[in-house]
Amino acid sequence: AQRVTQPEKLLSVFKGAPVELKCNYSYSGSPELFWYVQYSRQRLQLLLRHISRESIKGFTADLNKGETSFHLKKPFAQEEDSAMYYCALSNQAGTALIFGKGTTLSVSS
Amino acid sequence: DAGVIQSPRHEVTEMGQEVTLRCKPISGHNSLFWYRQTMMRGLELLIYFNNNVPIDDSGMPEDRFSAKMPNASFSTLKIQPSEPRDSAVYFCASSRGSLSSYNEQFFGPGTRLTVL
Repeated sequence: AQRVTQPEKLLSVFKGAPVELKCNYSYSGSPELFWYVQYSRQRLQLLLRHISRESIKGFTADLNKGETSFHLKKPFAQEEDSAMYYCALSNQAGTALIFGKGTTLSVSS
Repeated sequence: DAGVIQSPRHEVTEMGQEVTLRCKPISGHNSLFWYRQTMMRGLELLIYFNNNVPIDDSGMPEDRFSAKMPNASFSTLKIQPSEPRDSAVYFCASSRGSLSSYNEQFFGPGTRLTVL
């Protein structure tokens, strides 16, 4: 079955500390993986996708097929990074998304 | 561009009543998605349309839920009769989708439904 697992509901860190939001997936085939973010009072929006291999707002994510993981990382957290983060997988049709349950990141000074 | 528009933003109703949620996708987008967000289950896909045609409705919880897309600029999600366990935030999203590749989905602000 296709599934996305985010084991942490809440991750609290101090400003300047490294951040790693975990995401594991199960999928038969070649997955497309994404991170979406929802800041307070804003809409859910795409943060990054694995095929882009880019860094957005200092965040990166590497697809590890051996470990079936797509962890989101940032070396130095900022307070404005506080938000809900969702890892997502595209299904076989290539369009609809399967989301994890999300991780709330709280960055305090 | 106002992005994906959803109405109402908040809905409070009593058990047994019919509820209709509305969505206007971004102009030019031909794929539309309905998701439901709850604390217990997170974000779940309910149904999605491509070129106004329902492609996958396997996420629709039961017959009480129905969705339509009569034209490219409007979709509805209806719950009849509503139950307290339907209380959730319902999101609509749209994309320039095709069935063979992923395109970024743009989300609406959501409708917070409370069924008493």
